[in-house]
Amino acid sequence: AQTVTQSQPEMSVQEAETVTLSCTYDTSENNYYLFWYKQPPSRQMILVIRQEAYKQQNATENRFSVNFQKAAKSFSLKISDSQLGDTAMYFCAFLTNRDDKIIFGKGTRLHILP
Amino acid sequence: DAGVIQSPRHEVTEMGQEVTLRCKPISGHNSLFWYRQTMMRGLELLIYFNNNVPIDDSGMPEDRFSAKMPNASFSTLKIQPSEPRDSAVYFCASSLALLVGGGETQYFGPGTRLLVL
Repeated sequence: AQTVTQSQPEMSVQEAETVTLSCTYDTSENNYYLFWYKQPPSRQMILVIRQEAYKQQNATENRFSVNFQKAAKSFSLKISDSQLGDTAMYFCAFLTNRDDKIIFGKGTRLHILP
Repeated sequence: DAGVIQSPRHEVTEMGQEVTLRCKPISGHNSLFWYRQTMMRGLELLIYFNNNVPIDDSGMPEDRFSAKMPNASFSTLKIQPSEPRDSAVYFCASSLALLVGGGETQYFGPGTRLLVL
């Protein structure tokens, strides 16, 4: 069975700093997809970034980038120049190519401090 | 483009009452997912549809829960009778899955916050 582990329940950083959120996963699959979703206080689930396992290049979306280490089954999210609006719960998620069922981690609550 | 639309946004009801949650997926998307989020259990997939057909309902907690998708633009999740432990945020998500297991991104609605007293 696939699992997703986020080992940091909560983090706080100062505005403008860089922060890295950790995520590891376990699977025997070779083809899969990884996501980071953001859930601000409004509760809306917002896609931050997506990575296909067959791509070696790390995905980047503006201030958000990932460090995808397939052999280590690690998928961390780096937020550069953090902003107050980045305050949210961040979920790491995994999707195989066998079906459409996303598996979510428990989340990391990130506080950006002014 | 409108995103996934859910209604109502908030629902407060008494134990034993029927609750119906509604979802309109993004136009053109052919897969629809119902999730439940609680502090204790996190995000759980309840059921998902592909081309209006239920593909996997193994996450549906019990017979009190049922879901339908009568057409490509509408789905309901019904709880009858509701219980206090059903209190949660219920999310609907949709994706354009050209084939099962295509790895398509799921886009979430704003959720329905349900409180059963």
